[in-house]
Amino acid sequence: AQSVAQPEDQVNVAEGNPLTVKCTYSVSGNPYLFWYVQYPNRGLQFLLKYITGDNLVKGSYGFEAEFNKSQTSFHLKKPSALVSDSALYFCAVRDLDAGKSTFGDGTTLTVKP
Amino acid sequence: DAGVIQSPRHEVTEMGQEVTLRCKPISGHNSLFWYRQTMMRGLELLIYFNNNVPIDDSGMPEDRFSAKMPNASFSTLKIQPSEPRDSAVYFCASSLYPTDTEAFFGQGTRLTVV
Repeated sequence: AQSVAQPEDQVNVAEGNPLTVKCTYSVSGNPYLFWYVQYPNRGLQFLLKYITGDNLVKGSYGFEAEFNKSQTSFHLKKPSALVSDSALYFCAVRDLDAGKSTFGDGTTLTVKP
Repeated sequence: DAGVIQSPRHEVTEMGQEVTLRCKPISGHNSLFWYRQTMMRGLELLIYFNNNVPIDDSGMPEDRFSAKMPNASFSTLKIQPSEPRDSAVYFCASSLYPTDTEAFFGQGTRLTVV
């Protein structure tokens, strides 16, 4: 079985400050992990993925995520937030042998000027 | 490429009517996914196809829902008869991979059943 949790419904940061959106997961085998972003009235957009290799993954728009196997976490980070980063962020996990991912409930990120 | 194209963008229908949502995946993508998004239930995978063949429809809520993919460039999700609780945003996504790795989503169809 696979599951993912995003413990924060809402994250607020000031523009220029670093941001972190948290994600923890549970799988029976090795995980594939993903982050997506959803802007208002739009579909989800792929940001980045972890499959294997370096624990720090870099993605689109300056975002990165760190895979931590011992803590079963895959937190999304950005060194300096922009107002335009305000959106709904989804973490997703898929067991290596599974055909489909499980999405978290989403975290709304608000970056204030 | 124009991305995943869904139609209509908005649909308002009366309870009991048939609703058909349409999706054109990205050319060359092998997999297609139908999702439903609501405030209460979040993002749910309804069904997915690989090479036009339905692989997993365990997320389809009930027999009123059906999906087809007659060819690599077109898929439909049909609800018959529709009910108010079907009101949601329905997303279609496609992927180059046999799974939902790096799926590209359409803009969604907002369905309202009154």
